[in-house]
Amino acid sequence: DTGVSQDPRHKITKRGQNVTFRCDPISEHNRLYWYRQTLGQGPEFLTYFQNEAQLEKSRLLSDRFSAERPKGSFSTLEIQRTEQGDSAMYLCASTGLAGARLDTQYFGPGTRLTVL
Amino acid sequence: AQKITQTQPGMFVQEKEAVTLDCTYDTSDPSYGLFWYKQPSSGEMIFLIYQGSYDQQNATEGRYSLNFQKARKSANLVISASQLGDSAMYFCAMRELNYNTDKLIFGTGTRLQVFP
Repeated sequence: DTGVSQDPRHKITKRGQNVTFRCDPISEHNRLYWYRQTLGQGPEFLTYFQNEAQLEKSRLLSDRFSAERPKGSFSTLEIQRTEQGDSAMYLCASTGLAGARLDTQYFGPGTRLTVL
Repeated sequence: AQKITQTQPGMFVQEKEAVTLDCTYDTSDPSYGLFWYKQPSSGEMIFLIYQGSYDQQNATEGRYSLNFQKARKSANLVISASQLGDSAMYFCAMRELNYNTDKLIFGTGTRLQVFP
């Protein structure tokens, strides 16, 4: 049972460029979550999927952000026209039992984005 | 709205001593789950322990225990026999789960430093 993996681990980009992050959840986990964490803060929810369906998007997810999970396995998070305020750690998590309150979200190592 | 409060920005503890990290929460939902995560400098969120609102006993996982006081809405993490490797950020979180949302709400974290 491999854990949640994320790629890349670090990304440095110039303002205005597009970036895409990938998350591979724990095998057979049907819920996948994206969070953003800025310096000195706890993670903040961005969006989540159950299988391939995106069920909720936070207000933090502006029009420049888009997330997909096309086959219900891995997910991608794309940021278009990056801004310096997008610099943060982007964390992905997954759970195996949809709707089970006691089910734990297991996190990946995160992608640290720096926008110059 | 659900809220998690961690009032200790930083804590120091000597190796082999016990330490308590505070967490209070606010929710109107009678059924909820509380989690503690550890975040080393590498950035990954590591699950430590879970407490359900209907659990009769306080949760324990090895050197970690959760002091759950439902009436006071507190869920403090106790780490016994601290080790140098326990130095990290610690986050308390609550799962907000209903028919139209599923997310973790995090506190701002406590930085624990263990000294020899």
